[in-house]
Amino acid sequence: EAGVAQSPRYKIIEKRQSVAFWCNPISGHATLYWYQQILGQGPKLLIQFQNNGVVDDSQLPKDRFSAERLKGVDSTLKIQPAKLEDSAVYLCASSPLPRGGEQYFGPGTRLTVT
Amino acid sequence: KNEVEQSPQNLTAQEGEFITINCSYSVGISALHWLQQHPGGGIVSLFMLSSGKKKHGRLIATINIQEKHSSLHITASHPRDSAVYICAVAVTSGSRLTFGEGTQLTVNP
Repeated sequence: EAGVAQSPRYKIIEKRQSVAFWCNPISGHATLYWYQQILGQGPKLLIQFQNNGVVDDSQLPKDRFSAERLKGVDSTLKIQPAKLEDSAVYLCASSPLPRGGEQYFGPGTRLTVT
Repeated sequence: KNEVEQSPQNLTAQEGEFITINCSYSVGISALHWLQQHPGGGIVSLFMLSSGKKKHGRLIATINIQEKHSSLHITASHPRDSAVYICAVAVTSGSRLTFGEGTQLTVNP
């Protein structure tokens, strides 16, 4: 079974530029999560999708971050414009269950904002 | 105070030692996860448990719901066990995972 795929693996941008990350979850997994993990901290949930609907985006900085999952499969996370404090690893995870189930994580995208 | 606290933050051991990492939480949960993160960022799920004890190879995870505490044990530790171990809880009222800050484990040969 293929795992969660993410791209790119690494990205370096200057502040005020825009960036987009892509995630393809495990086939058949209805729930998709985007996490932000700042160095030395645990991951923080940015947004959770159930199919193509948003379940939880309470911790998403909506003035600069956006995410979509139009067809209920793969998803993109965008930052526009980026700030220095956005430097982090962005993790995508998927789960076959709508709540409380085991989550399968992708390799992450390491973003450096200079 | 964080909802999920791990201890120790950093742990250095010699190959072969028995290792324990602790996790305490302050909220009602439906499940607790132990995750492993190697350098480079990828996370692997080790255990998901809601009661009792689970074992997989040299790894053992226990949880005490009444005391809101879980432990991850590694027997006969090996340098390849070196990683960050993260405890995360799924709160009862929803599906969001709340993560601890992780324990950096280094096992020296």
